[in-house]
Amino acid sequence: AQSVTQPDIHITVSEGASLELRCNYSYGATPYLFWYVQSPGQGLQLLLKYFSGDTLVQGIKGFEAEFKRSQSSFNLRKPSVHWSDAAEYFCAVGATGAGSYQLTFGKGTKLSVIP
Amino acid sequence: SAVISQKPSRDICQRGTSLTIQCQVDSQVTMMFWYRQQPGQSLTLIATANQGSEATYESGFVIDKFPISRPNLTFSTLTVSNMSPEDSSIYLCSVQRDRGREDTQYFGPGTRLTVL
Repeated sequence: AQSVTQPDIHITVSEGASLELRCNYSYGATPYLFWYVQSPGQGLQLLLKYFSGDTLVQGIKGFEAEFKRSQSSFNLRKPSVHWSDAAEYFCAVGATGAGSYQLTFGKGTKLSVIP
Repeated sequence: SAVISQKPSRDICQRGTSLTIQCQVDSQVTMMFWYRQQPGQSLTLIATANQGSEATYESGFVIDKFPISRPNLTFSTLTVSNMSPEDSSIYLCSVQRDRGREDTQYFGPGTRLTVL
C-alpha cells in the first residue's frame, strides 16, 4: 500500500525567506503526486500536480515542486514566502486503480510566517 | 476546475442522531469521493460514490455507519449515522471530472461536524 511522509509537522519562516516543505512517498510504481494547501476553516486547494514528464512542476502562487524518483521525494519550494502563505500543506500520492486513482495524504505541515 | 458546494457548512449534533451532508457540483463529473479529516489529522478516504450502484468503502468504513447516495453525475450525499463524539470531523467531498485520465481531484469546502 502507498504511504506519504511529511517529516516536518510545523515550520516557521520569516516573510521573504525561502521555503522548502519535504515529502517522501512509498509506492510500487510511478506515482501521481500532489500538493494541496488548506487555510484555516477552508477546504483544500490544489497547488500543483505531477503525473509524468518534466520532473520540475510549477504551480500556483509561485510554488514549485521537484519529483526525484531516486529519493522518492516530491518537495515543495517557494523562493520568497508571503504572510498569506501561512496555512497547512498536504502532500498526497495517487495510486492508480480501476480507471482513476485514490489519494493518500501525508499528515500535513503547518506553515507559520513571521512578519 | 470544478465548483463544489457542500451543505451544511457546519453543524452541531447530539449523539445518537444522524446527519446527511450534501455535495453539489456545477457540472457532470465521473468520480466523486468522500473524505474525513479528524481534528488535527490528515484526510482519510471514506468511500467512492458510484452513480447508480453501491458506494465502494475503504477499510474501516461501513455502509451502515456512512450510507452514501449518488443519484446523478452532479450530486452525492453522505450520512453519518448514530453519531458519537468520535465522529466529530470535517467531511469533504472531492470530484474528478474524467475517469481513466490524468485529471485533478478538486475538493469542496468541507462540512465541520461537532457531536456532543
